[in-house]
Amino acid sequence: AQSVTQLDSQVPVFEEAPVELRCNYSSSVSVYLFWYVQYPNQGLQLLLKYLSGSTLVKGINGFEAEFNKSQTSFHLRKPSVHISDTAEYFCAVSQWGAQKLVFGQGTRLTINP
Amino acid sequence: EAQVTQNPRYLITVTGKKLTVTCSQNMNHEYMSWYRQDPGLGLRQIYYSMNVEVTDKGDVPEGYKVSRKEKRNFPLILESPSPNQTSLYFCASSLGLNTGELFFGEGSRLTVL
Repeated sequence: AQSVTQLDSQVPVFEEAPVELRCNYSSSVSVYLFWYVQYPNQGLQLLLKYLSGSTLVKGINGFEAEFNKSQTSFHLRKPSVHISDTAEYFCAVSQWGAQKLVFGQGTRLTINP
Repeated sequence: EAQVTQNPRYLITVTGKKLTVTCSQNMNHEYMSWYRQDPGLGLRQIYYSMNVEVTDKGDVPEGYKVSRKEKRNFPLILESPSPNQTSLYFCASSLGLNTGELFFGEGSRLTVL
């Protein structure tokens, strides 16, 4: 069975600092990987996805993530955060041919001025 | 505008009183799914549907029912709600998980007293 672990439940950073949100997954077969963002009182929206090809994936709002198959990781990064990036971030995995996304527990990113 | 619409957004009810949370999408998506979000647990899938009249259980289906009589609608039914079903519920739709993304509704916050 597939599972996702987000290693940090909360990450506080200062504005304009870089940030990395960590995600590890377990699966016995090939996977698709996603990062979603949830702003306060809203649903989730897709930040970026890895389906195949280049292991460095760029998404919206300046975020990027790198798929590392050997370490089964898909960490999310941004070189310089803004107050508007304050949100909860979810890593998710889907196995090829499966009909569900399995989500991690979420990481709450707080940006301090 | 492409969207997934859930109703009601907020509901307080009492144990045992049947309720339905509606979900409608206007993107002609075949795949629809219900998730519940609880603190520290991320999102867990309740039920999903790959097409009209085709539904299947997710990871936490106990106490819930669904139906898919039309492509655009996927209501979630709680026949006899209990306090442990107090949660934030999200409906989502997709062209297909293998290549696409999930589009989420804004959520329905349910409290069962």
